[in-house]
Amino acid sequence: GQSLEQPSEVTAVEGAIVQINCTYQTSGFYGLSWYQQHDGGAPTFLSYNALDGLEETGRFSSFLSRSDSYGYLLLQELQMKDSASYFCAVRDRDQAGTALIFGKGTTLSVSS
Amino acid sequence: DVKVTQSSRYLVKRTGEKVFLECVQDMDHENMFWYRQDPGLGLRLIYFSYDVKMKEKGDIPEGYSVSREKKERFSLILESASTNQTSMYLCASSTGPSAYEQYFGPGTRLTVT
Repeated sequence: GQSLEQPSEVTAVEGAIVQINCTYQTSGFYGLSWYQQHDGGAPTFLSYNALDGLEETGRFSSFLSRSDSYGYLLLQELQMKDSASYFCAVRDRDQAGTALIFGKGTTLSVSS
Repeated sequence: DVKVTQSSRYLVKRTGEKVFLECVQDMDHENMFWYRQDPGLGLRLIYFSYDVKMKEKGDIPEGYSVSREKKERFSLILESASTNQTSMYLCASSTGPSAYEQYFGPGTRLTVT
């Protein structure tokens, strides 16, 4: 079957760095996306990796290793507003009519 | 800005009722999706559509149907609502074949009593 594994909860303090891991087991792989969802809000797109390596967008970075079926989201200089759920999602086909497979999400709690 | 709107933020229905959840996007996106979100289970795909009148089953289509008569509108139908369909329902849209960047609506919290 298809599965994505990520930790259910992560806690950190303001100013720290936190890494949220995602390992996947899917029939195909064409890219890994990350989404953020604040409590009561809609998920919003953060980043996408199709190739191995690190993608940086401000305080957030996302990494992919296709050979290890593994990726992570790195959040630096944590702020209270980063407290949210983070979902990884895999695109497993390269064709029209493709949906994403989502992980169950990681709840990040940032304290002062 | 991409805007995805859902017809209701909160909805309360009785067991056995037929329920319609509507989703409209204003960015001419080809792909539209319906998910349900439950605590600890993440986002589970119910149905999606990559073109008008086209639909594909997701992971949990049982008890649901969909309709896409116009490109901007994607409806989720609960033929006979049951209490186990109490959930948060999220609609999303995306453009292009890759669909890796999806835009989500605010969600409808449905309670079936």
